[in-house]
Amino acid sequence: AQKVTQAQTEISVVEKEDVTLDCVYETRDTTYYLFWYKQPPSGELVFLIRRNSFDEQNEISGRYSWNFQKSTSSFNFTITASQVVDSAVYFCALRPASGGSYIPTFGRGTSLIVHP
Amino acid sequence: DAGITQSPRHKVTETGTPVTLRCHQTENHRYMYWYRQDPGHGLRLIHYSYGVKDTDKGEVSDGYSVSRSKTEDFLLTLESATSSQTSVYFCAISGDRYGYTFGSGTRLTVV
Repeated sequence: AQKVTQAQTEISVVEKEDVTLDCVYETRDTTYYLFWYKQPPSGELVFLIRRNSFDEQNEISGRYSWNFQKSTSSFNFTITASQVVDSAVYFCALRPASGGSYIPTFGRGTSLIVHP
Repeated sequence: DAGITQSPRHKVTETGTPVTLRCHQTENHRYMYWYRQDPGHGLRLIHYSYGVKDTDKGEVSDGYSVSRSKTEDFLLTLESATSSQTSVYFCAISGDRYGYTFGSGTRLTVV
């Protein structure tokens, strides 16, 4: 069985602060994929990143960075110098690399509020 | 360039009536999924499909049925709508084994 835990229900920061969204997962699969999605107030779900389990290299994309640590089963997401436009609900997800109709399991989401 | 569309975008219906939501894709992807999103629960899988006429249940399938008679269409039916089915429904597609593309969602209110 797969499980994704996003323990932070809501985070509130002031613009320009750095913020880290935590994601902890459980899986028995040896190979798997991890994802982050953003859901802005408009409601659509926007893909941010996919990471496979055999690549622990951290990734940076502009103000966004992701820290994947297999040893602690975590895939944390950091926004540097946050902006009001970063206000959204962020979902972490996990799915096996093979089988199971590639069904992703989502965390419950973290609501990020960035105040001007 | 949506590749996936959901209809309707909004619907209000009465308790006890059947409701069908449609998900249409132009990507020819094999896998399609229906999720519901509720506050505090995130995204929960209702049903999914792994091919034409091939469907299976997710974690919250009670009260819902699905059909997929063509690759491009995946229908979700609430057989007899209840207030607990008031939610936002998302369809997703996956074809490259890696990523998922979501539709814009359907906001359903059962009164």
